[in-house]
Amino acid sequence: QVQLVQSGAEVKKPGASVKVTCKVSGYIVTELSIHWVRQAPGKGLEWMGGYDPEEGETIYAQKFQGRVTMTEDTSTDTVYMELSSLTSEDTAVYYCTKWGAIPTVGTWWFDPWGQGTLVTVSS
Amino acid sequence: SSELTQDPAVSVALGQTVRITCQGDSLRSYYASWYQQKPGQAPVLVMYGKNNRPSGIPDRFSGSSSGNTASLTITGAQAEDEAVYYCNSRDSSLYVFATGTKVTVL
Repeated sequence: QVQLVQSGAEVKKPGASVKVTCKVSGYIVTELSIHWVRQAPGKGLEWMGGYDPEEGETIYAQKFQGRVTMTEDTSTDTVYMELSSLTSEDTAVYYCTKWGAIPTVGTWWFDPWGQGTLVTVSS
Repeated sequence: SSELTQDPAVSVALGQTVRITCQGDSLRSYYASWYQQKPGQAPVLVMYGKNNRPSGIPDRFSGSSSGNTASLTITGAQAEDEAVYYCNSRDSSLYVFATGTKVTVL
């Protein structure tokens, strides 16, 4: 059973970058597709991007194109999400989650989820 | 880009049935997945595909889909079902979450 454990809370100044860690256990990271979803305080869930095996590449929501990078370290089974040029609007809880699919029947899902990492952007 | 629409809030009496709906053009091509989120917790997958419950999700949760609308039904709602429920769907290579429905169990 896969478990996702994320790094601790971060406080960043506007204009800085943040790198959030998602440690995978129970699976080899190359066997998984990990996506990232964020949630601003009191708001809903917002998909940011992730590795799409069907496309064979990491895909990003248009909103974050050019500002987000998702990578993995196969030696430690760890996935990273780095977001640059932070503003106060990036203050949110960031979640990593495992992507699942049965594409032939048009079915996709995210399960399980990491515990979340609070990123606060403040001067 | 595709959007998904949910009612902001719904209430249900303890033990009664509540249906949460999600509308969007992408749902004509793809099934929705549904997530339950309680305050201060990470989302939990409760339904995916035509009507598939992950292990550990009670059978009072069921799913259905017709046209551009996906539905999550809780039959015999319990106090622990009080939460925000989000639907999600794929749109081309991207994924979209709706704004969520707050379910209050009275």
